[in-house]
Amino acid sequence: EVQLVESGGGLVQPGGSLRLSCAASGFGFSSYEMNWVRQAPGKGLEWVSYISSGGGTIYYADSVKGRFTISRDNAENSLHLQMNSLRAEDTAVYYCARRAKGERPFDLWGQGTLVIVSS
Amino acid sequence: DIQMTQSPSTLSASVGDRVTITCRASQSMSSWLAWYQQKPGKAPKLLIYKTSSLESGVPSRFSGSGSGTEFTLTISSLQPDDFATYYCQQYNSYSRNFGQGTKVDIK
Repeated sequence: EVQLVESGGGLVQPGGSLRLSCAASGFGFSSYEMNWVRQAPGKGLEWVSYISSGGGTIYYADSVKGRFTISRDNAENSLHLQMNSLRAEDTAVYYCARRAKGERPFDLWGQGTLVIVSS
Repeated sequence: DIQMTQSPSTLSASVGDRVTITCRASQSMSSWLAWYQQKPGKAPKLLIYKTSSLESGVPSRFSGSGSGTEFTLTISSLQPDDFATYYCQQYNSYSRNFGQGTKVDIK
């Protein structure tokens, strides 16, 4: 089955760190660009970060630049998001999303993992 | 960085209504504009890409149009399954920004 499964969410104190993972299966992960998108409770979607298929090109939203690090392990079919210096405003469901080939944007999403930053 | 603004934020409609949602870009952009549908507790689902191309499996009552800075999503005859929140997304630039969303609820 073609799917993305996120893990690693949880409760963390402000200033703390957390590492999210996204396990890909059922498709050639190494040939796809990947993204992280988040959604604060009751709010809209916010694009967080992008990584190219080979990992050589990376982008971040201004809101997380310098605090979050995206990475991937193509041998393990996994995507990661290292989140440091977490703030209350980082509280959200974090989704990994596959950039489709060709003209289509994000065609495959995981179910999301909830990160709560609170003391 | 291209910012996306959707209107309205909330839309109340009845089954069978024609519904139009607008997405405005902060600067003129190419046709790399997509629309997603999201239901509570679920991941977004791609409906329209490249402004007007219908994603496989999406009903033909959904359509997209626009150019420059103004884009629209139209549902020709609203069905019970269509009550959800809709987001536009630009993928013209590296920051794949979303609009703030339009919730379509039952009138």
